[in-house]
Amino acid sequence: DTGVSQNPRHKITKRGQNVTFRCDPISEHNRLYWYRQTLGQGPEFLTYFQNEAQLEKSRLLSDRFSAERPKGSFSTLEIQRTEQGDSAMYLCASSLIQARNTEAFFGQGTRLTVV
Amino acid sequence: GENVEQHPSTLSVQEGDSAVIKCTYSDSASNYFPWYKQELGKRPQLIIDIRSNVGEKKDQRIAVTLNKTAKHFSLHITETQPEDSAVYFCAASIGVHSGAGSYQLTFGKGTKLSVIP
Repeated sequence: DTGVSQNPRHKITKRGQNVTFRCDPISEHNRLYWYRQTLGQGPEFLTYFQNEAQLEKSRLLSDRFSAERPKGSFSTLEIQRTEQGDSAMYLCASSLIQARNTEAFFGQGTRLTVV
Repeated sequence: GENVEQHPSTLSVQEGDSAVIKCTYSDSASNYFPWYKQELGKRPQLIIDIRSNVGEKKDQRIAVTLNKTAKHFSLHITETQPEDSAVYFCAASIGVHSGAGSYQLTFGKGTKLSVIP
């Protein structure tokens, strides 16, 4: 599968625990995005990287959230001291910014449930 | 920041009829407008997109129109089929042509389309 891959697909954690998700983008894509989607809503932007640089963070991204893309390839999203309100689907997307092509391809997401 | 409103939230049509979903956006700098289809439990998938220098784009049974002056764009699906049943999201973004600014997408809340056989 050469699409965007996310792991794990599902994560159940107790409130207060830390969790980390991984995203492997399409190999030549230089931009990587994290979105959060709650039931009945559209995806909400969290942050994005161009290569290894984190260029923008949404105000939705509290200080408990941190994202990295150390080598400009895969990315991790960590949530510390999880809260029930963090329960959501976390989507990763990637794109190749060149000329006029900006299509973002999404992964299947990691569904987080905080109990 | 950008705000995207999408209507209706649910839409039921008979198979073979047309479906229209409408979105408005607030930031006149937005210049890229994709539409995504999301089936239950699956990833959002791009079905069509339009850029601000084009007023209409068509791909088989799917078409999108853009009115920059009014800041709204619409998705039209003709000859609907049961497999068209899904949640459809519109989105808006800036920075396509300039290379500057963010390419982040601001999504609408989605329209659940049900095609009744």
